[in-house]
Amino acid sequence: DTEVTQTPKHLVMGMTNKKSLKCEQHMGHRAMYWYKQKAKKPPELMFVYSYEKLSINESVPSRFSPECPNSSLLNLHLHALQPEDSALYLCASSQERGTSEYLEQFFGPGTRLTVL
Amino acid sequence: AQKITQTQPGMFVQEKEAVTLDCTYDTSDPSYGLFWYKQPSSGEMIFLIYQGSYDQQNATEGRYSLNFQKARKSANLVISASQLGDSAMYFCAMREGRSGAGSYQLTFGKGTKLSVIP
Repeated sequence: DTEVTQTPKHLVMGMTNKKSLKCEQHMGHRAMYWYKQKAKKPPELMFVYSYEKLSINESVPSRFSPECPNSSLLNLHLHALQPEDSALYLCASSQERGTSEYLEQFFGPGTRLTVL
Repeated sequence: AQKITQTQPGMFVQEKEAVTLDCTYDTSDPSYGLFWYKQPSSGEMIFLIYQGSYDQQNATEGRYSLNFQKARKSANLVISASQLGDSAMYFCAMREGRSGAGSYQLTFGKGTKLSVIP
């Protein structure tokens, strides 16, 4: 199973709503990632979890709150978002770093978020 | 300075012809990996091909090959026999180093939108 799944596929929320994005993988990967991608732009890294611990936070506003409850699941909790947060949110996973620079990241299909 | 440069915002290719998508990179790390991803309009990032900095031979995966010129710091993607389904955005990306927090990160280029014409 080389699949990363994300739910929901589409999400529309108001600025006062609280919602969560979910990501799941069963490849035994111990590194998981959240990316944000605006239209016609490359993905931007938001967070990295390694062995269920937050390893990298790329100065993301606190209205985005990641959570890694176990090695297969990654959540992104959303609260008080702004319209400019509308984007495609991609989850990815990979093996942990080893002795090689090869570290393929497997991406999920993404959640298209619209903030009204 | 940009670490990954893709100079072609958009490309057109006739179906069944070959096409080359350009990518140059900038790093002082002797250990790095170069990746190409395809992103159709549906949004999913699909891994295509990988080239390691120490690999002696150019990588190939089916219709995809990577023209790796280390001295020039270029890693161009060649797609042979283009198909309509190849129409998508293509991103070149680099990972630097084998350890440290930064080694998780993929630095992406701005992408090239490829359109295959029937």
